[in-house]
Amino acid sequence: DIQLTQSPSSLSASVGDRVTITCRASQNINRFLSWFQQKPGKAPKLLIYASSNFQGGVPSRFTGSGSGTEFTLTINGLQPEDFATYYCQQSFITPWTFGQGTRVEIQ
Amino acid sequence: QVQLQESGPGLVRPSGTLSLTCSVSGGSVSSGSFYWSWVRQSPREGLEWIGYFYSTEDTRYNGDTKYNPSLKGRVTISADTPKNQFSLKLNSVTAADTAFYYCVRVQERYRYGYVFDHWGQGTLVTVSS
Repeated sequence: DIQLTQSPSSLSASVGDRVTITCRASQNINRFLSWFQQKPGKAPKLLIYASSNFQGGVPSRFTGSGSGTEFTLTINGLQPEDFATYYCQQSFITPWTFGQGTRVEIQ
Repeated sequence: QVQLQESGPGLVRPSGTLSLTCSVSGGSVSSGSFYWSWVRQSPREGLEWIGYFYSTEDTRYNGDTKYNPSLKGRVTISADTPKNQFSLKLNSVTAADTAFYYCVRVQERYRYGYVFDHWGQGTLVTVSS
């Protein structure tokens, strides 16, 4: 199975900050990586697919990049509603797998 | 707008069978390009893809399934196309199968891969005697 390792596991930030989360894959997954946001008690919500493509309705402050084994999710200008847990997920090959999550907390 | 809704028992006895149904509105489980999936989430294992059912509107095609090998053959996913539902059965459950279970529409997007674009709200299933 392809392992996805996110870093950091958690971070504290303030409104307006720029935040970067990294996801590393255990093997080359081309650009077949998605990012999700999950708030307590809710299902994960798709933000970005294929490394850098926005899902409809997602604010432009969320950007994704990367290919191969290293990917990043950047939030430019953190907003109060962005405090949540973020997950990466690969769809290069089954079993499709997820990272362990990065919790973004209010500083 | 596609919506998915899970239903089923919230408590299952150890060694029993976990059975959940996902009702789909705003789309058809027999449409091509969609892989109707189950994902679970627990504090210990995080998010785990369980498997999918895929079908098309061609009545000669019986559909296809694919499962996560980690579940060691305990899982079956099937669809009831007249009811526009798909189901999950997981047998020989243990406490390790306690989790939130989500039904998910996965869309195959040309050149972009498989995208988990619509999720149900999730349902908690506890395995306990």
